[in-house]
Amino acid sequence: NAGVTQTPKFQVLKTGQSMTLQCAQDMNHNSMYWYRQDPGMGLRLIYYSASEGTTDKGEVPNGYNVSRLNKREFSLRLESAAPSQTSVYFCASSEYAGSLYGYTFGSGTRLTVV
Amino acid sequence: GQQVMQIPQYQHVQEGEDFTTYCNSSTTLSNIQWYKQRPGGHPVFLIQLVKSGEVKKQKRLTFQFGEAKKNSSLHITATQTTDVGTYFCAGRGTGFQKLVFGTGTRLLVSP
Repeated sequence: NAGVTQTPKFQVLKTGQSMTLQCAQDMNHNSMYWYRQDPGMGLRLIYYSASEGTTDKGEVPNGYNVSRLNKREFSLRLESAAPSQTSVYFCASSEYAGSLYGYTFGSGTRLTVV
Repeated sequence: GQQVMQIPQYQHVQEGEDFTTYCNSSTTLSNIQWYKQRPGGHPVFLIQLVKSGEVKKQKRLTFQFGEAKKNSSLHITATQTTDVGTYFCAGRGTGFQKLVFGTGTRLLVSP
């Protein structure tokens, strides 16, 4: 009953470095999402994957790329990190994109770019 | 694009007082969800409202969906210290598949 698992939990990067945030869910959900959370800004959608094999941009996709590796896993890549990408990143999943059921969130990755 | 605003941004109450947060969308919603995020934690799904004028209760929490399906509210009766956290609404527009989260209301409860 792990739900949504994110790794790492904390990360410090230097400007220009790259990294991949990993996300895996064990609920057999079809849809997965990446959000960033900044103070006073709520949760903003970066990218989402409505189903295995598809990905789409959200509100704030610039500077990020994603890969839906299989039904379970959805990774987020920062190719050249910038201080503006300092944030808390949450992965979430749902049964399907238009599901009437709530999203299940992972515990988050706290990223600092210096 | 669709925008979802919440007020107030922050509220500090004494334990036992009531609390209400309001959510307003720039467009008509097909449904609205509410989430709670404890300090340092992740959002946790509370409830979903679908019908115009719908009211749902969970113990001391009462959720309402406006008649026009453009606004919603969460009311907590007799707050407890365990209610501390940020409450987010999230709306899905008609024809859209993605949820748009509100800016959240941070609740602090003093004993």
